[in-house]
Amino acid sequence: QQQVKQSPQSLIVQKGGISIINCAYENTAFDYFPWYQQFPGKGPALLIAIRPDVSEKKEGRFTISFNKSAKQFSLHIMDSQPGDSATYFCAASMGNRDDKIIFGKGTRLHILP
Amino acid sequence: ETGVTQSPTHLIKTRGQQVTLRCSSQSGHNTVSWYQQALGQGPQFIFQYYREEENGRGNFPPRFSGLQFPNYSSELNVNALELDDSALYLCASSPQGGGRLSEQYFGPGTRLTVT
Repeated sequence: QQQVKQSPQSLIVQKGGISIINCAYENTAFDYFPWYQQFPGKGPALLIAIRPDVSEKKEGRFTISFNKSAKQFSLHIMDSQPGDSATYFCAASMGNRDDKIIFGKGTRLHILP
Repeated sequence: ETGVTQSPTHLIKTRGQQVTLRCSSQSGHNTVSWYQQALGQGPQFIFQYYREEENGRGNFPPRFSGLQFPNYSSELNVNALELDDSALYLCASSPQGGGRLSEQYFGPGTRLTVT
């Protein structure tokens, strides 16, 4: 059973557009939801993260929207740039109770120049 | 501040052999987690080490084992390699205390190919 479901699998967006990646989770014990960005040949880099006590978190062009009742969260990339082309992973963990991170399958984002 | 480093970068082994992968945690971090990332997939948790003790394990067989040393560096050992073990092996470290164990910072990974 996949605990974190991510969509779409791939996404193409025009430069300057908004990229939106969605995730859903099942386990209500999750209390930490990070997003990772991974370039080919590199390890995942922590991009932004949110805890369920807030509905939105913004860092620069990146925003996480969180809907606790629907058990869904999403990443919005505003003013998308070619340098944002990468694979993005949503993830979830139960913090100090169980520190393993459960990853989604990833979204390959391509920004057209 | 030095980030997470891993060695070697690439490795080719034959089925049945044993392999050891190494990780140095980021400065100030005392927790190390290992993940396996198959091609086109998200990373999967193997296990975590905190203060030299295993602190959680994913759904991997016992032939995957690890160590953490007093300087918080870590090793991942895999015995009796199988073709399906071919993957990118990622190490991640977490800051000390303050409820920040979920903030895991990844190294560049070791690409293991089993033939």
